[in-house]
Amino acid sequence: QQQVKQSPQSLIVQKGGIPIINCAYENTAFDYFPWYQQFPGKGPALLIAIRPDVSEKKEGRFTISFNKSAKQFSLHIMDSQPGDSATYFCAASRSGGFKTIFGAGTRLFVKA
Amino acid sequence: SAVISQKPSRDICQRGTSLTIQCQVDSQVTMMFWYRQQPGQSLTLIATANQGSEATYESGFVIDKFPISRPNLTFSTLTVSNLSPEDSSIYLCSVADLYEQYFGPGTRLTVT
Repeated sequence: QQQVKQSPQSLIVQKGGIPIINCAYENTAFDYFPWYQQFPGKGPALLIAIRPDVSEKKEGRFTISFNKSAKQFSLHIMDSQPGDSATYFCAASRSGGFKTIFGAGTRLFVKA
Repeated sequence: SAVISQKPSRDICQRGTSLTIQCQVDSQVTMMFWYRQQPGQSLTLIATANQGSEATYESGFVIDKFPISRPNLTFSTLTVSNLSPEDSSIYLCSVADLYEQYFGPGTRLTVT
């Protein structure tokens, strides 16, 4: 019940394409859903996050879609660029306790 | 956002020795965490470093193997003791401010 399932494991898109990464969770007590971007040799960086009271959040080219009833959320990257090539992790946590559970990660490669 | 630095950035250690990793944050934070990330894998929480008290360890991690110090609100150390090749991994320091969580650049440990 503590797992966050992430798919796909890897993804290759052409420049300008819209990669979509999906995550699903079981624990309805989770109330914060961040996405992290990690480049090789670097720590994960917070990219965008959403709370379950909204269904969508946009920040620049990054959009999170959230479906509370299905317990699923996804990351869309608009007009993807080669510089977006990285590993993306979805995560979920509960307020107060703050034990973040991470998905397995998606390795994205954007072809020039 | 918090700026986190870690020392060393990487090290190669002999089996049976220990490595101490330092984590410095540019502001006072209440919650500080240590994670392990094995190559190509997701993040696994080792422990929560509590200022002024013993660290709280996750299942599968014990104090004798991963002693942690947290002498103040901006600094922590993680020691990986009695090293074996299975300890080869990236170790990440992380801090949290309300919901948002930030990561250091990581320490890449190779055990020979």
